[in-house]
This record gives sequence, structure tokens and C-alpha cells, in this order.
Amino acid sequence: KQEVTQIPAALSVPEGENLVLNCSFTDSAIYNLQWFRQDPGKGLTSLLLIQSSQREQTSGRLNASLDKSSGRSTLYIAASQPGDSATYLCAVTGNQFYFGTGTSLTVIP
Amino acid sequence: NAGVTQTPKFRVLKTGQSMTLLCAQDMNHEYMYWYRQDPGMGLRLIHYSVGEGTTAKGEVPDGYNVSRLKKQNFLLGLESAAPSQTSVYFCASSQLYTGGWLTDTQYFGPGTRLTVL
Repeated sequence: KQEVTQIPAALSVPEGENLVLNCSFTDSAIYNLQWFRQDPGKGLTSLLLIQSSQREQTSGRLNASLDKSSGRSTLYIAASQPGDSATYLCAVTGNQFYFGTGTSLTVIP
Repeated sequence: NAGVTQTPKFRVLKTGQSMTLLCAQDMNHEYMYWYRQDPGMGLRLIHYSVGEGTTAKGEVPDGYNVSRLKKQNFLLGLESAAPSQTSVYFCASSQLYTGGWLTDTQYFGPGTRLTVL
């Protein structure tokens, strides 16, 4: 069974700092990996999707990388802003989604 | 487009009561899913549907039933609620599912917070 782990569980950084969130998974037989954002009391919003044949994807200040062979992905957030405060979840897909438990990010003004 | 909507947003039940959660999507997606989210455990798939009239079990199906009578709606039922079913329930939908592999993102509803006393 696929297991997805995210470290750290919580992170607090000052505004403007660059930061990295980590995601690891146990089974490398995945189709793609996605990063989601979840705001308190809200559903999930997709941020980036990386196909298994890709190494990275970029969207604005966000960059996600994927190393399928080692079972790892990172989400890099540049020049963090208070509006980036949320929980970030990664999910790998095979025949269904397998979600990590998320990293709760707080960006302090 | 409203996307994915869920009804109700909040509900408190007593042990043994029943209820139905409604999910509706207006994106003409074939595939729909019900998840529960619990602290420290991430999202876990309860049931899913690959088209109108179909349903299938996910990772944690016990104590739940589902129906997909119309393409745009996916209902989740609790016949006899238990405190262990206290959770936040999310519905999602997606379009692409190729060769047994999910190839597209999922679109999530805002969630239903259920408390069973």
C-alpha cells in the first residue's frame, strides 16, 4: 500500500523567506504527483501537477520537483508572503489518490 | 460554474442516527469521490464512482453507502452513525481516468463537518 509522508508537519517563517516543503512516497509506481493547498475550513485547490516522466513544474513563485526513483518531491516557495499561509498537501496517483498528511505553513508578516 | 458543492456544511448527529450528504458538480465530470479527513491521517478515500450508476469501494468504506443515480450527483449515506465517523467529508470530481490511472487533477468541494455524539 502506498504511503505518503510530509515533513515537517508545521513550519513558521518570516515574510520574504524562501522555503522548501518535502513529500516522500513508498511506491515509485505512480502516474503523477500533485501539490494541493488547503485553507482553513475549505476544500483543496490544485497548485501543481507533475507527470511521472517530468522532473519539475513551475507556477509563479512555486516550483515542484519529482524524483520518482527515490520516492521524493519538494515544493519550493520563493519570497513567501502572508497569503501563502495554508496547509500544503501532496498526493500521488496510481489507480486512486494517496494523500500525505500535509504541512501547515505560517508566514509571519 | 459553481464547481463542486456539498450539502450540508455542518451537521451534528447522535449515535445511531442516519443522514445523507449530497455532492453536486456542474463540470460534466465522469468520476466522483468521497473522502474523509481526520487529524494526522490525511485524506482517505471512502467510495468513488467512475460514471452514472456505478460505485466502488475505496480505502475505508465500512459504515458508508453511496449512490450515483445522476451523473452530476454523488450521495454518501450513513445508516447508523458512530462517533468514529466524526470527521470532515470532502467530495471531489475529475474528468480524465485513462487505462486505470488518474491523469487529471481532482476538484474538491468545501467539505462537510460532521460530529457524531
